[in-house]
Amino acid sequence: GQNIDQPTEMTATEGAIVQINCTYQTSGFNGLFWYQQHAGEAPTFLSYNVLDGLEEKGRFSSFLSRSKGYSYLLLKELQMKDSASYLCAVRDRSGGNNRKLIWGLGTSLAVNP
Amino acid sequence: EAQVTQNPRYLITVTGKKLTVTCSQNMNHEYMSWYRQDPGLGLRQIYYSMNVEVTDKGDVPEGYKVSRKEKRNFPLILESPSPNQTSLYFCASSLGSGTGAADTQYFGPGTRLTVL
Repeated sequence: GQNIDQPTEMTATEGAIVQINCTYQTSGFNGLFWYQQHAGEAPTFLSYNVLDGLEEKGRFSSFLSRSKGYSYLLLKELQMKDSASYLCAVRDRSGGNNRKLIWGLGTSLAVNP
Repeated sequence: EAQVTQNPRYLITVTGKKLTVTCSQNMNHEYMSWYRQDPGLGLRQIYYSMNVEVTDKGDVPEGYKVSRKEKRNFPLILESPSPNQTSLYFCASSLGSGTGAADTQYFGPGTRLTVL
C-alpha cells in the first residue's frame, strides 16, 4: 500500500540545525516534495527530489534515497519564523491519477530562542 | 501575480444549507484539486480535475461535488452540509505534466468552514 511516515513533533533551538525524516512506501514513485505550512495557512513548496542525493536551496536542503524509501529535510541556521509544520509528499504514478500526491501528516517544528 | 484564490475564507453555516466555495487560478494550470485538512488526518484529496470537463473522485468525495467548466475555475459544492464537513479546505493547482519540480502544487489560502 501507500504510506508516508514522519515524526509528529520536533523541537530545536534558534541558530541550530534540524533534520526532519520521512519514510515512504509507494508502488509508483515519481518524485518527493517538501512543503512548509504555518498554522492556519496554506502549504508552500520548499523542495523537490526525484533522483538520489542532496538538493540544496539556501538554508534548506533535502535528501532522497529511493532504494531505502527515505528522505530528509535539513534546516540550517534556524530562525523563529521556521516554526511551522513540514509536510512530506510523494507523487505516485500508479493508479488512475499520476499527478496524485500522497501526503504525510506533517512534522510540527517548534524553534525556541 | 501568480496565485490561487478561494472564497470565502471563513464560513459558518447550518446543516443542510447548500454552499459553494470558489477557487480560481491565473497560471493556466491544467490540474486542480480540492483537499480538506483535519487534525491528525492531514491533507486528504476530495476531488481533482485533469482539465476542463474532466473531474474525478479523490479519497474522500462523499458529500461533495465539483465542476470544471473553465480552465481557471474549480468550485467545490456542498449540497447538504453536515457537521462532519467542518474542516479547513484548500484548493490547489499545478501544470499537470505529472513530472518534475515544475509540476508542484500551488495552494489557495484556505477556507475554514464550520457547519453547525
